[in-house]
Amino acid sequence: GAVVSQHPSRVICKSGTSVKIECRSLDFQATTMFWYRQFPKQSLMLMATSNEGSKATYEQGVEKDKFLINHASLTLSTLTVTSAHPEDSSFYICSARDHRVGLAGEQYFGPGTRLTVT
Amino acid sequence: QKEVEQNSGPLSVPEGAIASLNCTYSDRGSQSFFWYRQYSGKSPELIMFIYSNGDKEDGRFTAQLNKASQYVSLLIRDSQPSDSATYLCAVNAWGSDGGSNYKLTFGKGTLLTVNP
Repeated sequence: GAVVSQHPSRVICKSGTSVKIECRSLDFQATTMFWYRQFPKQSLMLMATSNEGSKATYEQGVEKDKFLINHASLTLSTLTVTSAHPEDSSFYICSARDHRVGLAGEQYFGPGTRLTVT
Repeated sequence: QKEVEQNSGPLSVPEGAIASLNCTYSDRGSQSFFWYRQYSGKSPELIMFIYSNGDKEDGRFTAQLNKASQYVSLLIRDSQPSDSATYLCAVNAWGSDGGSNYKLTFGKGTLLTVNP
């Protein structure tokens, strides 16, 4: 149990275009999902907390108008990188908290999406 | 500023040895503690979590928590080359309203290399 998927796994886009990344909890409902970004040889950086049916909560320094998050259902959250630029190239990873057993707050991660902006 | 500190390593151990990974945290109100393993180019994978003082064992892994010292560790017995990865320590951060929003604060990770 506690499987999280992400799509696409890898995307290359041109500067100025938008890219949407999907995060799905496959065998559980996740009222809370999280979006992280990881640059090479660096640790995970939390970008935002996504709550089903409400607006996402963004971490300090993360542009909410650039990184649009939608959590319309209990199993799906999406991250849209708008007007992407080369500096947005990174490894984007989502995670979800399984409320059935997540009493300690553990999060299960999707496989990640590697974004390259040319 | 909540902080989680880990020795970046690399920590190198021979196959079959015990690998000991350490983590300290600054927020005394932290409640839950997690160890994740991350292979190069992959996303983190949850190994185990602990929230009570003492030891918690799961197969070859043992997590140890000492809240008084704000210290958590992970022991890997009978280390295998497949255990070579970066190990991330994460701490459950509490929201500003006193409630937990289940955000995790991650350390920068310790790179473990198990030599055959």
